[in-house]
Formats: sequence, C-alpha cells, structure tokens
Amino acid sequence: DQQVKQNSPSLSVQEGRISILNCDYTNSMFDYFLWYKKYPAEGPTFLISISSIKDKNEDGRFTVFLNKSAKHLSLHIVPSQPGDSAVYFCAASEGTGANNLFFGTGTRLTVIP
Amino acid sequence: NAGVTQTPKFQVLKTGQSMTLQCAQDMNHEYMSWYRQDPGMGLRLIHYSVGAGITDQGEVPNGYNVSRSTTEDFPLRLLSAAPSQTSVYFCASSYSTLGLSEQYFGPGTRLTVT
Repeated sequence: DQQVKQNSPSLSVQEGRISILNCDYTNSMFDYFLWYKKYPAEGPTFLISISSIKDKNEDGRFTVFLNKSAKHLSLHIVPSQPGDSAVYFCAASEGTGANNLFFGTGTRLTVIP
Repeated sequence: NAGVTQTPKFQVLKTGQSMTLQCAQDMNHEYMSWYRQDPGMGLRLIHYSVGAGITDQGEVPNGYNVSRSTTEDFPLRLLSAAPSQTSVYFCASSYSTLGLSEQYFGPGTRLTVT
C-alpha cells in the first residue's frame, strides 16, 4: 500500500507563474520529508526537505509547506521557469534513525514558455 | 568528483540469468542504497548499507543480494532474473547514517528481463 501519494501525475504551468505540487501521506510516524527532482535519463536530485518540527522551509524559489494534521505537504515554485520541467518526487521517512525513504509516484511538471 | 556511478546503463537478460549491477561513489559516504522504480510505484528500497561490511534489507529485497566490502562500492546481484525484475534501478549514497539526509543518486540502470 502506497504510504506516500502524489495524486496528480502531471501539471502544466505558464512560465513566471506559481507551480504547486502536492503530496499526501498516511503514516503518522513520518517526521522528515524531502522533495526530489528528476530529469529524463538521470537519477533524482535532492531539492528541499522539511522536518516535522517546522511547517515551512524555503530555499530560493522553492518552498515546502507541511500540514501535519492533514498529513499533507506541498512544494511551491515561484516563479516557475522552463528548466523546472521535470518529474518531482515527494519522499518521507520515519524517525531520525530511519534508513528507508518512502517515495510517492511523482508529478511531471511542464513549464510552458 | 564523479559522484555516484552505475554500470551498465542498459541491460537485457533472459529469465534465469544472473548478473551484477555495479555502483560506486567517490564521496566517502557511509550510507549506500539500491532502489527500483516501476511505473505507478515510485522508488522502492531494495537493500541498504550503513558502512563497509554492514548491509540490511529494504522494502523489496527478494531476488537480490548485496555486499559492501569497501566504502566506495555497493554491487547489486540478481540471482536468477525474472520478468518481474524488469525495472529501472537506482543506487544512492548519503554522508549520514543517522537518518536520511540528502541522498545522491546515480543515473540508473534500465533492466529488461525477457
């Protein structure tokens, strides 16, 4: 059973606008969350993370929001650029000693110039 | 730094054949792992290692073996390939074994078992 879900397989956004990618999880023990970005024929690359003691983390154009009560997180990209077109994976882990990341199925973002 | 390298990039096997997927990293990372990515499934952890000589099973370990004789290398062995093992395989490494900090992924190996 998928513990981390990304219900939108794809998203298209105009260049310069905001992209919002969503992720839901079912395991209430998850307390560390990450976003990875993947281009075709490459491995995923780390983008941004957030721990459950925070509800927001920013890094440049990327902001991740965490709503623990709703078991939901989102990644905001502002402004979106064509180079942001990629597949974005949400991932979660349980506890600081965890050795397993649980990944969502990914959302393909297309930024239209 | 080459980062995380994987060989081969592509491989076709017949059912029952065995092979080893190679993974190496030059960042002196203690933690290394293998994932498989299947359509509609996200990435799933096969095996991981928190240091040389130490390995453990992940979520989907059946049909795969690993060993970690050096810090740099973490090969994944398919003992008797099955069509269900058709997938894209990613190796990853991380500097920290205390929780999952940022992991660096290799470019992947696309395996087809006929």
